[in-house]
Amino acid sequence: QQQVKQSPQSLIVQKGGISIINCAYENTAFDYFPWYQQFPGKGPALLIAIRPDVSEKKEGRFTISFNKSAKQFSLHIMDSQPGDSATYFCAAGTGFQKLVFGTGTRLLVSP
Amino acid sequence: KAGVTQTPRYLIKTRGQQVTLSCSPISGHRSVSWYQQTPGQGLQFLFEYFSETQRNKGNFPGRFSGRQFSNSRSEMNVSTLELGDSALYLCASSFRGGNTEAFFGQGTRLTVV
Repeated sequence: QQQVKQSPQSLIVQKGGISIINCAYENTAFDYFPWYQQFPGKGPALLIAIRPDVSEKKEGRFTISFNKSAKQFSLHIMDSQPGDSATYFCAAGTGFQKLVFGTGTRLLVSP
Repeated sequence: KAGVTQTPRYLIKTRGQQVTLSCSPISGHRSVSWYQQTPGQGLQFLFEYFSETQRNKGNFPGRFSGRQFSNSRSEMNVSTLELGDSALYLCASSFRGGNTEAFFGQGTRLTVV
């Protein structure tokens, strides 16, 4: 019940296209859903996060969509660029429990 | 505001040795979590410290231990190193863990030979 399932494992998108990464969770107590971006050899960087009182949050080209009833949330990267090529992790958290991470999605944006 | 600082950035150790890694969290953050990341793998949770107390623990052997000091700085120790311990070790700091923003350091790349 503590798992966060992330898909796809890898994704290839053409420059200018939309990248979509999905996550699903079981624990209804989760009330914080961040996304992280990680480049090789670097630590993950907090990209954008959402709480369940809203269904969508947008920051620049990055949008989180949240579906509370389906217990799913997704990251959309609009106008994907080669510089967006990285590994993306979703996560979920609640209270004082540890953040639970998805397994990661390796995104490659082809020029 | 300074970010999360991990030292050293790179480390090479021999099997059987022990190693200590350090993490200085963002000022005001009281929670520090440690993760192990091997090539192509996800983030494996080691443990979390909050106000000098271990609050959450992952599924790692007792060779992996940690502590947190009164200034919130944290150290993790790995004893009797094995080749399989070669990994990027990451720490993340947050105000109180759980559902608050967590920020990662650059990591310490440990190579065991």
